[in-house]
Amino acid sequence: AQKITQTQPGMFVQEKEAVTLDCTYDTSDPSYGLFWYKQPSSGEMIFLIYQGSYDQQNATEGRYSLNFQKARKSANLVISASQLGDSAMYFCAMREDPYNTDKLIFGTGTRLQVFP
Amino acid sequence: SAVISQKPSRDICQRGTSLTIQCQVDSQVTMMFWYRQQPGQSLTLIATANQGSEATYESGFVIDKFPISRPNLTFSTLTVSNMSPEDSSIYLCSVVGSQATEAFFGQGTRLTVV
Repeated sequence: AQKITQTQPGMFVQEKEAVTLDCTYDTSDPSYGLFWYKQPSSGEMIFLIYQGSYDQQNATEGRYSLNFQKARKSANLVISASQLGDSAMYFCAMREDPYNTDKLIFGTGTRLQVFP
Repeated sequence: SAVISQKPSRDICQRGTSLTIQCQVDSQVTMMFWYRQQPGQSLTLIATANQGSEATYESGFVIDKFPISRPNLTFSTLTVSNMSPEDSSIYLCSVVGSQATEAFFGQGTRLTVV
């Protein structure tokens, strides 16, 4: 079974609008972390935001916020005021801690295109 | 945060040859991770490299194909051996921050095997 599911292969958004990228996860471990990364065409992985399973509040980093719904096992990324430079692949990832390995499991990604 | 220098950034190699990718971190880290991203795909963990012990490989990856060295707490290499066109991918190294709330990646090595 997929541990991390991103159901949107592609998304379009107009500049200055907000967009939500979906991510659901599957784990039985009570301690886990969720990450979002941006990958532009250059291939680098840019860390955006982190949410811990015990965090009481949704994470925010500038224009990025994470809509964390623990009971539904979803961790959607919200980008506010989209910019043309936001066009990229976006990956959701999870770190499970049963053995404290710190390794990440990635979703299949969503390609976001921002148009003027 | 950690800064990771990965090289080469890209290479075109002949099938049957080997390529060694290097990652240098600006701080000491216990574990370093090597990922592969095949064209149009997501990232898949190849192995975890610990200093002073053998790397731990994920299912589907073997040491003979992807030997890893970890001579100290700031450096690691991944070798892609006896390459075939199916090895054409982006290879990325990664480390986790001290609080495990961030994971940092090198710039990636874009490998093309012809």
